[in-house]
Amino acid sequence: RKEVEQDPGPFNVPEGATVAFNCTYSNSASQSFFWYRQDCRKEPKLLMSVYSSGNEDGRFTAQLNRASQYISLLIRDSKLSDSATYLCVVSLGGNKLTFGGGTRVLVKP
Amino acid sequence: DARVTQTPRHKVTEMGQEVTMRCQPILGHNTVFWYRQTMMQGLELLAYFRNRAPLDDSGMPKDRFSAEMPDATLATLKIQPSEPRDSAVYFCASGSRTGDSTYEQYFGPGTRLTVT
Repeated sequence: RKEVEQDPGPFNVPEGATVAFNCTYSNSASQSFFWYRQDCRKEPKLLMSVYSSGNEDGRFTAQLNRASQYISLLIRDSKLSDSATYLCVVSLGGNKLTFGGGTRVLVKP
Repeated sequence: DARVTQTPRHKVTEMGQEVTMRCQPILGHNTVFWYRQTMMQGLELLAYFRNRAPLDDSGMPKDRFSAEMPDATLATLKIQPSEPRDSAVYFCASGSRTGDSTYEQYFGPGTRLTVT
């Protein structure tokens, strides 16, 4: 079983719609959680950290469910520019990060 | 705007040749990471350094890969001899702790390696 699992998608989303997807992690000792965004043929970039109480950054909302060992990302009012692969990232603490395989999102007009 | 830089951006080489990839981390970052990304395996950690000392290279094939950090401004990843299965995008990343003690990692643009 992979340490961090994601639905690869693609999630085809009409512009302006809401999309949400999850990521599960296997190690209950995981301490830090992040979402990264990766555009085609580009490097991954930090989108947001995920806090225990959940957090919001503009149109993006991240939630953490420690009991069920998953994190989620919700994108409201999707823009064409939101089309990308979203990488779920987990850390046991320290600096080492474990990346999921990514969920591809395609926002269409 | 501080960035991680990597050279070369693209490399095409023949099987058996040595490949050297270079990375300049963001000034002041004390951790440096090497990742490999392929369609099949996704993003895999090869090795990482803290304060120039290697901390973990368990993800790296030891027989042909080597990673070094000769000084705080340069990290290198070498493959000798290269094989077609090494074809991938190799990312370097550097990291630091933020004011609220969370850890953030910043990626370079990657080296796209093709071994024929």
